[in-house]
Amino acid sequence: DAKTTQPPSMDCAEGRAANLPCNHSTISGNEYVYWYRQIHSQGPQYIIHGLKNNETNEMASLIITEDRKSSTLILPHATLRDTAVYYCIVSKTSYDKVIFGPGTSLSVIP
Amino acid sequence: DGGITQSPKYLFRKEGQNVTLSCEQNLNHDAMYWYRQDPGQGLRLIYYSQIVNDFQKGDIAEGYSVSREKKESFPLTVTSAQKNPTAFYLCASTKTGGLNGYTFGSGTRLTVV
Repeated sequence: DAKTTQPPSMDCAEGRAANLPCNHSTISGNEYVYWYRQIHSQGPQYIIHGLKNNETNEMASLIITEDRKSSTLILPHATLRDTAVYYCIVSKTSYDKVIFGPGTSLSVIP
Repeated sequence: DGGITQSPKYLFRKEGQNVTLSCEQNLNHDAMYWYRQDPGQGLRLIYYSQIVNDFQKGDIAEGYSVSREKKESFPLTVTSAQKNPTAFYLCASTKTGGLNGYTFGSGTRLTVV
């Protein structure tokens, strides 16, 4: 079973911030939080990862709670092209085999 | 440009026939993975290989076989023993000790009729 829990679906208005939550209450101290997204009928795409500090790159920001039991992926200005399924994964490194749960289906609405 | 290539994009086969899906990467990644995805579902791990000439079963290996004779290549054979082979198949790779996530191919959609 996946080690993370995500809401099955979310909507977001175009141009607004999309905040996607993830619970990982059993995360161990050396496990990272990874986020991927999958646009329909394509392979998943790596977005960002973090250990305990907040991270930001050109695609998104990752906020990890102090106890590391949950995190939030933030897409600051969602566009229609951000409509996708978003997967939250915990893994020691990306080298480990990882389990992808059903993820969150984000719909960006005009 | 470096990347991971899956071919073909669409594949149709008759029931009872074996079929091989290709996965090639030129990223110099050590580890490669095969996942299966059914409609509305997450990804399930079929096989993975962390080094040439070695591979391990994932969660749903029955009815599938793989080989890893070259670092760049990790073909997946869907055999006639796989009861429900129609699915979207995804190949991924990553570097040993790397932290920057998997790189995925664009997938092969297999339909068995």
